[in-house]
Amino acid sequence: DTEVTQTPKHLVMGMTNKKSLKCEQHMGHRAMYWYKQKAKKPPELMFVYSYEKLSINESVPSRFSPECPNSSLLNLHLHALQPEDSALYLCASSQDPGGNSPLHFGNGTRLTVT
Amino acid sequence: AQSVSQHNHHVILSEAASLELGCNYSYGGTVNLFWYVQYPGQHLQLLLKYFSGDPLVKGIKGFEAEFIKSKFSFNLRKPSVQWSDTAEYFCAVKDSWGKLQFGAGTQVVVTP
Repeated sequence: DTEVTQTPKHLVMGMTNKKSLKCEQHMGHRAMYWYKQKAKKPPELMFVYSYEKLSINESVPSRFSPECPNSSLLNLHLHALQPEDSALYLCASSQDPGGNSPLHFGNGTRLTVT
Repeated sequence: AQSVSQHNHHVILSEAASLELGCNYSYGGTVNLFWYVQYPGQHLQLLLKYFSGDPLVKGIKGFEAEFIKSKFSFNLRKPSVQWSDTAEYFCAVKDSWGKLQFGAGTQVVVTP
């Protein structure tokens, strides 16, 4: 089992809904990440938080809004999504953002936008 | 900018056969390389990593990888695969800012 917990496991939402994805880790890691993975594709980086500050935004549309309330929690707020946003959303953490610190991934949230 | 390419998208082999998956990278900075595995329905798991030192790296589940700087390669190997090795394998490179970029992945199917 992974030590990065994501909720919910599955989410179905309409294009006018507002929802949030949650991620939690208690390994004392100081970097946290959101990735998006479409079927049969590799994960694509969306955001990186380093010491609770947003350090990388890979030109993600504003309908995705990340939040890092504290060092253990990472949220992804969703609003006015499009059907093409349906994907597996993965959260990850690493001890620090440095290059030699591997990422630990959660099981993901399977999002369907109708 | 960094990039990673994996040579094979699909590999089918029999149990006890040897496995080698190719990975080439391009990155101008200090190289930090990883192999991850994604078993069906499970989360991405770290197989092994290379930062520096011995270019032959041993990981979990009997996997190893060799870093060849002159070829910009980091190929994954396993001498004898099992049915349970059926999974998607991703090579990845991470920069000093925290950006971990994955290759396209290789789907490996091991037949009994």
